[in-house]
Amino acid sequence: EPEVTQTPSHQVTQMGQEVILRCVPISNHLYFYWYRQILGQKVEFLVSFYNNEISEKSEIFDDQFSVERPDGSNFTLKIRSTKLEDSAMYFCASSEAVRDRGAFFGQGTRLTVV
Amino acid sequence: GEDVEQSLFLSVREGDSSVINCTYTDSSSTYLYWYKQEPGAGLQLLTYIFSNMDMKQDQRLTVLLNKKDKHLSLRIADTQTGDSAIYFCAETLYGNNRLAFGKGNQVVVIP
Repeated sequence: EPEVTQTPSHQVTQMGQEVILRCVPISNHLYFYWYRQILGQKVEFLVSFYNNEISEKSEIFDDQFSVERPDGSNFTLKIRSTKLEDSAMYFCASSEAVRDRGAFFGQGTRLTVV
Repeated sequence: GEDVEQSLFLSVREGDSSVINCTYTDSSSTYLYWYKQEPGAGLQLLTYIFSNMDMKQDQRLTVLLNKKDKHLSLRIADTQTGDSAIYFCAETLYGNNRLAFGKGNQVVVIP
């Protein structure tokens, strides 16, 4: 069964450093998403991406964050100048269409900022 | 705006039915979903229901939607140890492609 894959599974970084989280969405999907889950809190929407551009973003997704689809298969989330409060599980997801049957999620990247 | 609430913990004996509840506040929700998260794993889409439906059954899973009370439930029949996980309900709104999640409900199945 096709699945969304994320790398790395765990990333530790020093405060102020930049990190890139990588995702390979399901191949025939057109919509891509990033979500995050701070420990003990809700899963929060960050951004959605369609047709090579951001289609929607939350108030969390400020200038510190950026997304890119550098080639036909990868979808990345870059976090510049990481802060302690960026420590969270980051989930990538993809879907064939908006809403409808829901998005399929990867296993997540646990980001720890020290 | 969207706000999804769930109770936190449920313990159930293997073979019994379990019911997980969720309330949401936004009446313009179009689709509602149940996701499952096993330890160390991602979010697995279990099932979804369109907002004009009252009920959806999918094998051991039954979703009930009470749109008047903005209440969504997931019933798992014949609960098995593999059902131990955190269950999240989520909604999407009309004209919006983001998912709004509840905090999750941890289900522990006792053999």
